[in-house]
Amino acid sequence: QSVLTQPPSASGTPGQRVSISCSGSTSNIGLNTVNWYQQFPGTAPRLLIYKNTQRPSGVPDRFSGSKSGTSASLAISGLQSDDEADYYCAAWDTGPDVVVFGGGTKLTVL
Amino acid sequence: EVQLVESGGGLVQPGGSLRLSCAASGFILRNNFMSWVRQAPGKGLEWVSVIYSGGRRDYGDSVKGRFTASRDDSKNTLYLQMNSLRTEDTAVYYCVRESGRGVVSPYFDYWGQGTLVTVSS
Repeated sequence: QSVLTQPPSASGTPGQRVSISCSGSTSNIGLNTVNWYQQFPGTAPRLLIYKNTQRPSGVPDRFSGSKSGTSASLAISGLQSDDEADYYCAAWDTGPDVVVFGGGTKLTVL
Repeated sequence: EVQLVESGGGLVQPGGSLRLSCAASGFILRNNFMSWVRQAPGKGLEWVSVIYSGGRRDYGDSVKGRFTASRDDSKNTLYLQMNSLRTEDTAVYYCVRESGRGVVSPYFDYWGQGTLVTVSS
């Protein structure tokens, strides 16, 4: 059971906009910033969004992050087949003082 | 170019030990916070340990007392000594460089390719 809650799956068609939610609590998302990672099968995750909304260099602006209260969201606009991957949210949890992750969302491009 | 290359994974029996290595290049290890993150087969990500630039080390509850993180500054290499291994420690172990700790939620901006540890009899 992951500390942060994500839907196990999401889907969309090419060109569509999809959102992936990440729900937490006061001790993690409520008090701290949220990061997002993208992982393709058989490869290491890569940082996609940090500090709620920031994109590392090389990440297309089709990817955006937001946070409100104890929830966060990753939005992907202009969906492409290459976006098919697993997406994980993460945040610092001031209770146990550790980084906690969501269980991951598998995005399928139909 | 920043690179992290893990090695040392393999098959080990329950109760056994293993030492993972992570060779860093393109940056100075001792000036950064470095973590280990693991992923059990078909499962999500789990933070395992961190070694601060100043040398302090922290661990997740599931490995505390069994795993020890260290580094060799002369070799720019990070290690994870894993003792008293359990079947539930079976996972791909990633070496990651951290940023933001103490200011924002730590984020992992560089990842190694991972090394698989299998604990089984």
